[in-house]
Amino acid sequence: DVKVTQSSRYLVKRTGEKVFLECVQDMDHENMFWYRQDPGLGLRLIYFSYDVKMKEKGDIPEGYSVSREKKERFSLILESASTNQTSMYLCASSPTLGFNTEAFFGQGTRLTVV
Amino acid sequence: DQQVKQNSPSLSVQEGRISILNCDYTNSMFDYFLWYKKYPAEGPTFLISISSIKDKNEDGRFTVFLNKSAKHLSLHIVPSQPGDSAVYFCAASTNNNDMRFGAGTRLTVKP
Repeated sequence: DVKVTQSSRYLVKRTGEKVFLECVQDMDHENMFWYRQDPGLGLRLIYFSYDVKMKEKGDIPEGYSVSREKKERFSLILESASTNQTSMYLCASSPTLGFNTEAFFGQGTRLTVV
Repeated sequence: DQQVKQNSPSLSVQEGRISILNCDYTNSMFDYFLWYKKYPAEGPTFLISISSIKDKNEDGRFTVFLNKSAKHLSLHIVPSQPGDSAVYFCAASTNNNDMRFGAGTRLTVKP
């Protein structure tokens, strides 16, 4: 069974804190993704990575950075958390898309910034 | 601007009837399309996909139709069951390996 594990289900942080969200996958997938889910907006792509040390901006990268030092781990970093970053964060991984494969998601991290 | 759009935030159908969920996209570079199902407090799970070289893909009660000229796809669920009640997301990707999602449609199947 493919497993994508996010380090926390719930997180509460203060404004201005540096926040790390960790994601680990156990299927040797090349691609990893970070999304945030907000009501009425669906899942919006923050960053994705198609290989170790490679990263690409998604649609809403502002205020975020990522790190992929190992193939199985993809970290999302909020450099200085703000209240508008309160959201559900979802990590996903996939083998190369376009070859009849799908992405697998973690259970999500609900982040509240106070 | 969202590249993948689901214009119906909700849909309610009777058990046993057909559910039709719609999705439109703007980026003609998308070549692979997926539908995901999401329950509260869980990550989305894959349901069905279609590549741009096809116009239909069927898996049991679920069928996805792709109309490339209209940049439109739809998911048909027949017959609908109460357990199908969830939020359904449409997604699309290019060979850059990115994946964009729509805003989702909440399907309620009434017994």
